[in-house]
Amino acid sequence: GQSLEQPSEVTAVEGAIVQINCTYQTSGFYGLSWYQQHDGGAPTFLSYNALDGLEETGRFSSFLSRSDSYGYLLLQELQMKDSASYFCAGVNYGGATNKLIFGTGTLLAVQP
Amino acid sequence: DGGITQSPKYLFRKEGQNVTLSCEQNLNHDAMYWYRQDPGQGLRLIYYSQIVNDFQKGDIAEGYSVSREKKESFPLTVTSAQKNPTAFYLCASSTGTVISNQPQHFGDGTRLSIL
Repeated sequence: GQSLEQPSEVTAVEGAIVQINCTYQTSGFYGLSWYQQHDGGAPTFLSYNALDGLEETGRFSSFLSRSDSYGYLLLQELQMKDSASYFCAGVNYGGATNKLIFGTGTLLAVQP
Repeated sequence: DGGITQSPKYLFRKEGQNVTLSCEQNLNHDAMYWYRQDPGQGLRLIYYSQIVNDFQKGDIAEGYSVSREKKESFPLTVTSAQKNPTAFYLCASSTGTVISNQPQHFGDGTRLSIL
């Protein structure tokens, strides 16, 4: 089957750096995406790794290692507004379009 | 502004009743998706559509039905066969190109509960 595992909760303080890991067991993934969801809201796209290595977008960076079936999201200079759930999602071939297989999600709590 | 509109925000279903959740997008996206999210869990794919008049089952399609008569619209019907419909339902769309970075854009969701 296809599954993506993440830690259920992570706590960090404002201004710190936090890493959210994602390990997956699947085949046919073309890359790994990350989405942020504030409580009760719409998920929003953060980043996508098509190739191994690090992708940086402002305070957020994402890393992928296909050989290790592993990726992570790195959040720097944490702010209170970063408190949210973060989901990794495998980009899976679904015919003529891509499908996303979502991970279990990590609830990040940023404390003052 | 372009975006995805889901309605209603909250919906209550009686026993044995079918209910339909609306999803409209003005992003000119070809692909549309329906997900179900249960408390504290990730999103699970119900149905997706790559083009008008075509759709495919996702991982949890039983008890649900969809239609795609227009590019802009992808309504989801939760039928009486879905015995545990209480969940947060999210609609998304993307440009739909294969093997490329085409992020999905999500609506604000519909919360469905059983009366």
